[in-house]
Amino acid sequence: QVQLVQSGAEVKKPGASVRVSCKASGYTFSNYHMHWVRQAPGQGLEWMGIINPFAGNTNYAQKFQGRVTMTRDTSTSTVYMELRSLRSDDTALYYCGRGIENPWGQGTLVTVSS
Amino acid sequence: DIQMTQSPSSLSASVGDRVTITCRASQVISDSLAWFQQRPGTAPKSLIFDATRLQSGVPSRFSGSASGTDFTLTISSLQPEDIATYYCQQYNTYPFTFGPGTEVEIK
Repeated sequence: QVQLVQSGAEVKKPGASVRVSCKASGYTFSNYHMHWVRQAPGQGLEWMGIINPFAGNTNYAQKFQGRVTMTRDTSTSTVYMELRSLRSDDTALYYCGRGIENPWGQGTLVTVSS
Repeated sequence: DIQMTQSPSSLSASVGDRVTITCRASQVISDSLAWFQQRPGTAPKSLIFDATRLQSGVPSRFSGSASGTDFTLTISSLQPEDIATYYCQQYNTYPFTFGPGTEVEIK
């Protein structure tokens, strides 16, 4: 069955970077774009960007341009999302998902605190 | 960016009631509209895609409709397990924006 397994929770200081991984299994990795979506505590869903695992090309929401990089490793069927220059308002659950396809990853809590 | 609005922001209904949630896009998005369900403490789950198509495994009491830039999610007979927040998302144009969500509670 399809599974997206994300890396564990992270605690970072302001100004640091975080890299979250999302390992895919149960389907052909290169056939589905992967999205990253985040959810601040008690808030709604915010789309961050998308990566095409086949070609590696990306599209990022303007809000995150210059701070986010999404990459993939086809040998391990894993996508990565790196967010730099972290601020306290980056504290959120970060999800990977294949868009309209289920399931999504379980979410990774990133806490930014001094 | 395309703005997505939803109404109501929350609702309370009884088991067995018909529930309707509306989503409006700020510009034409064709039928590139999905509905997601997010139960408390869990990841979002896709229910409807292409505005009206039911995702595999989703109960048939969920349905979607579209009229121009207005979209509707209907739960024909509300069940206790439907307690969740529901989000619409357009995937016609980057960035793929979400609506603010509609919280559904049982009366």
